[in-house]
Formats: sequence, C-alpha cells, structure tokens
Amino acid sequence: EIVLTQSPGTLSLSPGERATLSCRASQSVSSTYLAWYQQKPGQAPRLLIYGTSSRATGIPDRFSGSGSGTDFTLSISRVEPEDFAVYYCQQYGSSPLTFGGGTKVEIK
Amino acid sequence: QLQLQESGPGQVKPSETLSLTCTVSGDSISKSGYYWAWIRQPPGKGLEWIGHIYYIGVTYYNPSLKSRLTISVDTSKKQFSLKLTSVTAADTAVYYCARLTPPFEIVVLGALDYWGQGTLVTVSS
Repeated sequence: EIVLTQSPGTLSLSPGERATLSCRASQSVSSTYLAWYQQKPGQAPRLLIYGTSSRATGIPDRFSGSGSGTDFTLSISRVEPEDFAVYYCQQYGSSPLTFGGGTKVEIK
Repeated sequence: QLQLQESGPGQVKPSETLSLTCTVSGDSISKSGYYWAWIRQPPGKGLEWIGHIYYIGVTYYNPSLKSRLTISVDTSKKQFSLKLTSVTAADTAVYYCARLTPPFEIVVLGALDYWGQGTLVTVSS
C-alpha cells in the first residue's frame, strides 16, 4: 500500500499570500495518477487537480499542481477567503487507492 | 449535471449490516469508462477508499474491508449499493458515493470527480 504523507498539518496564511502544500509518497507514483481535493466543513471533497497538474472543470488557475516520483506539491498563488479548507492528495496508481492525511489551510 | 445521492439508515447496531444506496441522476450509470465508488470519512479524520464497481458488475475492494464488503449495481434503477457486515464503532463515518474516472480506458483506478453530499452512519446500540 502506498502511504501518502502531507505537510504541514496546518498552514496559517493571510488572504493574498501564496500557499504551498506537500504530499510525499512512500513509493514512486506515476505523475498520471496523483490528485488533489479540497474539503470545506460539512461538505464533500471537491476534485481540484488530477494527473498531478491538470485542473478539474471550473477550478481557478490560481490552483496548480506539480511534482514527480515521490514528491508532489499543490500551490495556491494567492489565497482567497474561499480557499480556507482542508486539502487531500490521493494516488490512483496502485490498489488500494489511498489518501494523504490532509493539510488544513487556515486564516492567520 | 451529474448528481449522486446517498440514502440509508443513519444508525446501525454493532455486529449488524450497514446498507447504503447511491442514486445517480443527470447521466447514465452505464456509461463506458466510468466507475462508481464508495469512500468514507470517520468524524474529524481523513478519507478511506472502500471500493468501486463498473456497471457490468465488476468490483474492486479495499483489502482491509474485503471480507465484510459487497458492492452491487442496479442499472435499471440507476443505483449502486454498499453492504458492510459485522460493523463496529470503527465503522462510524460519513459515507460518500462518487464517480471514479480512470485516466485511460485500460486502467481501473482513477480520480473521483463527482461526489454525493455524504451520509453519516453511526454504529451504536
């Protein structure tokens, strides 16, 4: 099973700042098979990024993904008030599908 | 616009069977290349993939749940279902259904691009 470790656990930022979230895999993951989700309280997760760097439908271009091998990054160029949420990475290169433990982006 | 909606009991007794159904609307459940998944999230914790199914009935299960799990599909009703036997308090979670979209036709794993709102199931006597 591929274990995904996300860091930091919590990221405290002011609106307008840049956010950089990390996802590290216990084994190499093809860049085709890495996704990122946003989850707000009481809501279902929403797909942001698939294939490491492709934005899902309707996702603003301030969200971007990068990485390869075992290290992947989700960046938010300028955090907007609606971006404060928990973010999860997910790998789908091998079974079982696994998720990281999440990074909470909170208002500083 | 594709929509998914979970339904089922909000409380299940320990050792009994948890049963949930997901109803798909806005598109065909029999569309080639898409799978239908269950994911759960214990209160205050992260996400866990339970399993998924193709419209012809082929299933893929998380090994940690496989011995207790059955996922089935009823294309005529546009529904797919989850049954988890011998539940304990550790199975208390919000259960989500979702559409799983593989990047290529020959791949059976993928990202989850549409989600239901989720339903909380509490295991308690």
